[in-house]
Amino acid sequence: DTGVSQNPRHKITKRGQNVTFRCDPISEHNRLYWYRQTLGQGPEFLTYFQNEAQLEKSRLLSDRFSAERPKGSFSTLEIQRTEQGDSAMYLCASSLSPGGCTFGSGTRLTVV
Amino acid sequence: QKEVEQNSGPLSVPEGAIASLNCTYSDRGSQSFFWYRQYSGKSPELIMFIYSNGDKEDGRFTAQLNKASQYVSLLIRDSQPSDSATYLCAVRRGAGGTSYGKLTFGQGTILTVHP
Repeated sequence: DTGVSQNPRHKITKRGQNVTFRCDPISEHNRLYWYRQTLGQGPEFLTYFQNEAQLEKSRLLSDRFSAERPKGSFSTLEIQRTEQGDSAMYLCASSLSPGGCTFGSGTRLTVV
Repeated sequence: QKEVEQNSGPLSVPEGAIASLNCTYSDRGSQSFFWYRQYSGKSPELIMFIYSNGDKEDGRFTAQLNKASQYVSLLIRDSQPSDSATYLCAVRRGAGGTSYGKLTFGQGTILTVHP
Protein backbone atom coordinates (compact mmCIF):
# COMPACT_ATOMS: atom_id res chain seq x y z
CA ASP A 1 0.00 0.00 0.00
CA THR A 2 1.68 3.17 -1.19
CA GLY A 3 -0.55 5.81 0.35
CA VAL A 4 -3.81 7.56 -0.34
CA SER A 5 -4.90 7.16 -3.95
CA GLN A 6 -7.24 9.54 -5.73
CA ASN A 7 -8.82 9.26 -9.16
CA PRO A 8 -8.99 10.92 -11.53
CA ARG A 9 -6.04 13.31 -11.20
CA HIS A 10 -7.71 15.88 -13.39
CA LYS A 11 -11.30 16.43 -14.44
CA ILE A 12 -12.64 19.03 -16.83
CA THR A 13 -16.40 19.26 -16.97
CA LYS A 14 -19.03 21.54 -18.36
CA ARG A 15 -21.12 23.60 -16.00
CA GLY A 16 -24.23 21.72 -14.95
CA GLN A 17 -22.72 18.26 -15.31
CA ASN A 18 -22.27 15.83 -12.42
CA VAL A 19 -18.83 14.57 -11.42
CA THR A 20 -17.65 11.83 -9.09
CA PHE A 21 -14.25 11.41 -7.53
CA ARG A 22 -12.83 8.34 -5.84
CA CYS A 23 -10.46 8.02 -2.90
CA ASP A 24 -8.75 4.86 -1.69
CA PRO A 25 -7.27 5.48 1.76
CA ILE A 26 -4.33 3.72 3.36
CA SER A 27 -5.78 0.29 4.06
CA GLU A 28 -5.55 0.23 7.85
CA HIS A 29 -6.81 3.79 8.27
CA ASN A 30 -10.34 4.05 9.64
CA ARG A 31 -10.76 7.81 9.24
CA LEU A 32 -11.23 9.47 5.88
CA TYR A 33 -11.53 13.17 5.12
CA TRP A 34 -12.42 15.25 2.08
CA TYR A 35 -11.05 18.75 1.71
CA ARG A 36 -11.18 21.37 -1.02
CA GLN A 37 -8.32 23.75 -1.76
CA THR A 38 -8.17 26.81 -3.98
CA LEU A 39 -5.09 28.79 -4.94
CA GLY A 40 -3.56 30.68 -2.03
CA GLN A 41 -5.82 29.11 0.56
CA GLY A 42 -5.47 26.30 3.02
CA PRO A 43 -7.52 23.12 2.66
CA GLU A 44 -11.20 23.67 3.48
CA PHE A 45 -12.97 20.86 5.33
CA LEU A 46 -15.83 19.20 3.48
CA THR A 47 -16.68 15.98 5.27
CA TYR A 48 -15.27 13.21 7.48
CA PHE A 49 -15.91 9.48 7.91
CA GLN A 50 -14.97 7.10 10.65
CA ASN A 51 -15.26 3.66 9.08
CA GLU A 52 -18.51 3.84 7.05
CA ALA A 53 -20.18 6.48 9.22
CA GLN A 54 -20.18 10.06 7.97
CA LEU A 55 -19.62 11.92 11.23
CA GLU A 56 -19.47 15.49 10.05
CA LYS A 57 -20.26 17.56 6.99
CA SER A 58 -19.34 21.20 6.62
CA ARG A 59 -22.28 23.52 7.16
CA LEU A 60 -20.93 25.61 4.30
CA LEU A 61 -21.26 22.71 1.90
CA SER A 62 -23.98 22.88 -0.69
CA ASP A 63 -26.55 20.10 -0.97
CA ARG A 64 -25.07 19.46 -4.41
CA PHE A 65 -22.16 17.73 -2.66
CA SER A 66 -22.51 14.21 -1.34
CA ALA A 67 -20.01 11.66 -0.14
CA GLU A 68 -20.16 7.98 0.64
CA ARG A 69 -17.86 5.41 2.13
CA PRO A 70 -19.51 2.02 1.67
CA LYS A 71 -18.07 -0.74 3.83
CA GLY A 72 -15.61 1.67 5.36
CA SER A 73 -13.11 1.30 2.56
CA PHE A 74 -12.92 3.61 -0.46
CA SER A 75 -14.94 6.80 -0.63
CA THR A 76 -16.62 8.76 -3.40
CA LEU A 77 -17.40 12.45 -3.56
CA GLU A 78 -20.11 13.52 -6.00
CA ILE A 79 -20.84 17.06 -7.10
CA GLN A 80 -24.14 17.54 -8.88
CA ARG A 81 -24.91 20.37 -11.30
CA THR A 82 -21.38 21.72 -11.16
CA GLU A 83 -20.75 25.44 -11.09
CA GLN A 84 -17.64 27.40 -11.99
CA GLY A 85 -17.11 28.13 -8.30
CA ASP A 86 -16.61 24.41 -7.73
CA SER A 87 -13.30 24.55 -9.61
CA ALA A 88 -10.65 23.57 -7.07
CA MET A 89 -8.32 20.82 -5.94
CA TYR A 90 -10.25 18.14 -4.07
CA LEU A 91 -8.06 16.42 -1.51
CA CYS A 92 -8.72 13.18 0.29
CA ALA A 93 -6.85 12.27 3.46
CA SER A 94 -6.88 9.36 5.87
CA SER A 95 -5.65 8.59 9.36
CA LEU A 96 -5.65 5.72 11.83
CA SER A 97 -5.75 7.62 15.07
CA PRO A 98 -6.60 11.15 16.14
CA GLY A 99 -3.26 12.37 14.85
CA GLY A 100 -2.28 14.00 11.63
CA CYS A 101 -3.67 12.70 8.39
CA THR A 102 -2.01 11.65 5.15
CA PHE A 103 -3.18 13.38 2.00
CA GLY A 104 -3.59 11.96 -1.46
CA SER A 105 -2.39 13.76 -4.56
CA GLY A 106 -5.79 15.29 -5.16
CA THR A 107 -8.22 15.63 -8.04
CA ARG A 108 -8.11 18.95 -9.84
CA LEU A 109 -11.57 19.93 -11.06
CA THR A 110 -12.05 22.57 -13.72
CA VAL A 111 -15.61 23.61 -14.54
CA VAL A 112 -15.93 25.39 -17.88
CA GLN B 1 -12.25 36.18 12.85
CA LYS B 2 -10.79 33.17 11.09
CA GLU B 3 -10.49 30.00 13.16
CA VAL B 4 -6.80 29.62 12.28
CA GLU B 5 -4.75 32.60 11.19
CA GLN B 6 -1.35 32.70 9.60
CA ASN B 7 0.63 35.49 8.01
CA SER B 8 0.50 34.65 4.32
CA GLY B 9 3.99 36.06 3.77
CA PRO B 10 6.02 35.59 1.78
CA LEU B 11 8.68 35.10 4.43
CA SER B 12 12.16 35.27 2.96
CA VAL B 13 15.21 34.05 4.86
CA PRO B 14 18.80 33.42 3.80
CA GLU B 15 20.15 29.90 3.64
CA GLY B 16 21.37 28.74 7.06
CA ALA B 17 19.13 31.12 9.02
CA ILE B 18 16.26 30.27 11.34
CA ALA B 19 12.80 30.59 9.82
CA SER B 20 10.00 31.35 12.28
CA LEU B 21 6.42 30.63 11.26
CA ASN B 22 3.49 31.64 13.43
CA CYS B 23 -0.13 30.63 13.83
CA THR B 24 -2.96 31.72 16.11
CA TYR B 25 -6.26 29.96 16.66
CA SER B 26 -9.58 31.06 18.07
CA ASP B 27 -11.14 27.84 19.42
CA ARG B 28 -10.04 27.27 23.01
CA GLY B 29 -11.27 23.69 22.67
CA SER B 30 -8.40 22.95 20.29
CA GLN B 31 -6.18 20.21 21.66
CA SER B 32 -4.02 19.00 18.76
CA PHE B 33 -1.85 21.13 16.53
CA PHE B 34 -0.20 20.23 13.27
CA TRP B 35 2.26 21.69 10.80
CA TYR B 36 2.12 20.66 7.17
CA ARG B 37 4.44 21.56 4.31
CA GLN B 38 3.06 21.97 0.80
CA TYR B 39 5.28 22.33 -2.23
CA SER B 40 3.82 24.09 -5.23
CA GLY B 41 1.50 21.77 -7.14
CA LYS B 42 1.72 19.05 -4.48
CA SER B 43 -0.49 17.97 -1.62
CA PRO B 44 0.24 18.81 2.03
CA GLU B 45 2.61 16.56 3.95
CA LEU B 46 2.75 16.32 7.73
CA ILE B 47 5.91 17.71 9.35
CA MET B 48 5.08 17.72 13.04
CA PHE B 49 2.28 17.63 15.58
CA ILE B 50 2.18 18.87 19.17
CA TYR B 51 -0.36 18.32 21.92
CA SER B 52 1.23 19.79 25.05
CA ASN B 53 2.40 23.25 25.96
CA GLY B 54 6.08 23.82 25.37
CA ASP B 55 8.49 22.79 22.66
CA LYS B 56 8.79 19.67 20.56
CA GLU B 57 11.88 19.11 18.45
CA ASP B 58 12.36 16.87 15.43
CA GLY B 59 15.60 17.33 13.58
CA ARG B 60 15.80 20.88 12.27
CA PHE B 61 12.16 21.54 13.18
CA THR B 62 10.81 22.77 16.52
CA ALA B 63 7.12 23.25 17.21
CA GLN B 64 6.12 25.53 20.07
CA LEU B 65 2.70 25.66 21.68
CA ASN B 66 1.22 28.18 24.10
CA LYS B 67 -2.41 27.31 24.78
CA ALA B 68 -2.98 30.29 27.08
CA SER B 69 -2.04 32.62 24.24
CA GLN B 70 -3.63 30.34 21.60
CA TYR B 71 -0.41 30.44 19.65
CA VAL B 72 1.59 27.84 17.77
CA SER B 73 4.87 28.32 15.99
CA LEU B 74 7.30 26.37 13.85
CA LEU B 75 11.01 27.07 13.83
CA ILE B 76 13.19 25.75 11.05
CA ARG B 77 16.90 25.83 11.87
CA ASP B 78 19.63 25.89 9.25
CA SER B 79 17.07 26.69 6.54
CA GLN B 80 17.77 25.20 3.13
CA PRO B 81 16.46 26.23 -0.31
CA SER B 82 14.61 22.89 -0.33
CA ASP B 83 12.56 24.18 2.62
CA SER B 84 10.96 26.75 0.31
CA ALA B 85 7.26 25.88 0.38
CA THR B 86 3.94 26.88 1.91
CA TYR B 87 3.62 25.92 5.58
CA LEU B 88 0.13 25.16 6.82
CA CYS B 89 -0.95 25.24 10.44
CA ALA B 90 -3.88 23.01 11.40
CA VAL B 91 -5.80 22.48 14.66
CA ARG B 92 -8.21 19.87 15.93
CA ARG B 93 -10.63 19.99 18.85
CA GLY B 94 -10.23 17.62 21.77
CA ALA B 95 -12.26 14.57 22.55
CA GLY B 96 -15.99 14.88 22.61
CA GLY B 97 -18.30 16.56 20.13
CA THR B 98 -18.70 16.00 16.43
CA SER B 99 -15.85 18.33 15.56
CA TYR B 100 -13.34 15.97 17.05
CA GLY B 101 -12.21 14.50 13.76
CA LYS B 102 -11.62 17.36 11.38
CA LEU B 103 -8.50 19.46 11.03
CA THR B 104 -9.04 23.17 10.48
CA PHE B 105 -6.30 24.77 8.41
CA GLY B 106 -4.92 28.27 8.18
CA GLN B 107 -4.26 29.83 4.79
CA GLY B 108 -0.58 29.02 4.96
CA THR B 109 2.66 31.00 5.00
CA ILE B 110 4.88 31.02 1.94
CA LEU B 111 8.52 30.54 2.90
CA THR B 112 11.37 31.31 0.53
CA VAL B 113 14.93 30.35 1.47
CA HIS B 114 17.42 32.07 -0.79
CA PRO B 115 21.04 30.92 -1.28
